[in-house]
Amino acid sequence: AQRVTQPEKLLSVFKGAPVELKCNYSYSGSPELFWYVQYSRQRLQLLLRHISRESIKGFTADLNKGETSFHLKKPFAQEEDSAMYYCALAYSSASKIIFGSGTRLSIRP
Amino acid sequence: DVKVTQSSRYLVKRTGEKVFLECVQDMDHENMFWYRQDPGLGLRLIYFSYDVKMKEKGDIPEGYSVSREKKERFSLILESASTNQTSMYLCATKGRVDEQYFGPGTRLTVT
Repeated sequence: AQRVTQPEKLLSVFKGAPVELKCNYSYSGSPELFWYVQYSRQRLQLLLRHISRESIKGFTADLNKGETSFHLKKPFAQEEDSAMYYCALAYSSASKIIFGSGTRLSIRP
Repeated sequence: DVKVTQSSRYLVKRTGEKVFLECVQDMDHENMFWYRQDPGLGLRLIYFSYDVKMKEKGDIPEGYSVSREKKERFSLILESASTNQTSMYLCATKGRVDEQYFGPGTRLTVT
């Protein structure tokens, strides 16, 4: 069965420190993976998708099929990065999307 | 810009009441979704619809039903609300591209 696992419920780092939010997935087909972010009092929104191979707000994520991982990274955390982050997997011709349990990122000044 | 609106931001209902949550989108997207968002559990799919009058169960459909009579509107119905349905409910849409667009959410409290 398809599954997305985010092992950390809370990640707290100092401003300027590197950030890595972990995401592992389970899917027998070719995965389409995303990171969504929800800032305080805002709606959930797409941060980035693996097929774009882009950097958004300094964040990158690389799909590692061997380790079935899609970790989100940023070299230098900023206070405005504090938010809830969800990893998501699209399958079944991308009609269905499942989400991980989320990681709350807190950046300390 | 895609706009997804939900009928209420906050809702308080009594146990046993029938509850309607409405979602409207203005981008002509085929796919619409209802999730509930709970701390530590993330987003769990309740139902989704890939066309008018078409629906499919998600991971936690028990206690819920849906209606999609028009392409732009997707309703979530709690036939008889219970306290364990207290949650944040999120509606989302998706067109041909994979990105989902979310509504602001409805925080439902069942007392």
